[in-house]
Amino acid sequence: DSGVTQTPKHLITATGQRVTLRCSPRSGDLSVYWYQQSLDQGLQFLIQYYNGEERAKGNILERFSAQQFPDLHSELNLSSLELGDSALYFCASSAGAGNEYNSPLHFGNGTRLTVT
Amino acid sequence: DQQVKQNSPSLSVQEGRISILNCDYTNSMFDYFLWYKKYPAEGPTFLISISSIKDKNEDGRFTVFLNKSAKHLSLHIVPSQPGDSAVYFCAANRISSGSARQLTFGSGTQLTVLP
Repeated sequence: DSGVTQTPKHLITATGQRVTLRCSPRSGDLSVYWYQQSLDQGLQFLIQYYNGEERAKGNILERFSAQQFPDLHSELNLSSLELGDSALYFCASSAGAGNEYNSPLHFGNGTRLTVT
Repeated sequence: DQQVKQNSPSLSVQEGRISILNCDYTNSMFDYFLWYKKYPAEGPTFLISISSIKDKNEDGRFTVFLNKSAKHLSLHIVPSQPGDSAVYFCAANRISSGSARQLTFGSGTQLTVLP
């Protein structure tokens, strides 16, 4: 158990809809990262928050947004969903701001999103 | 453009033998490399890493080799055990960018260790 909690585990929705994925980091971790894994692909970095502030941005679509709340949990909002957004969405956390490279990320078990 | 490639989607090995998983990268700016293991319905878990200043790092049964000139790294598991059956992801990083956690992942290799 990594200590990172993601809900829900599965989500099925229709094109054009909006969903929210939730992540609670490990106790004491201040950074939350979101990754997307599409079918047969590697994980793609989307965005990082550190202590409530956006820290780094990857290949995140404009239809997607995220935030980190004062209790450090994070939400990833996906809107105007398309079939191609179907993927596994992973959240990870780390203690620091992200440049402590020798401290590995701890991943949650992911949310599987299916857009029909 | 895949900057980290794992060209073998799957690998089967007999228990007790050596497993060798390969990874190639194209971005010469990468200076830190990691291997993650993933079981079904779980998130990836960190296995081993190597800095570009080294060419080998060992942790128990797991050894990672880095060949910078060939932009190639490999993970050796000796001896392989049935519990090692999982998807293995290679990941790369640019520590010098200051954003050490923007990992670039390969597509993974499914390792099956046969009893």
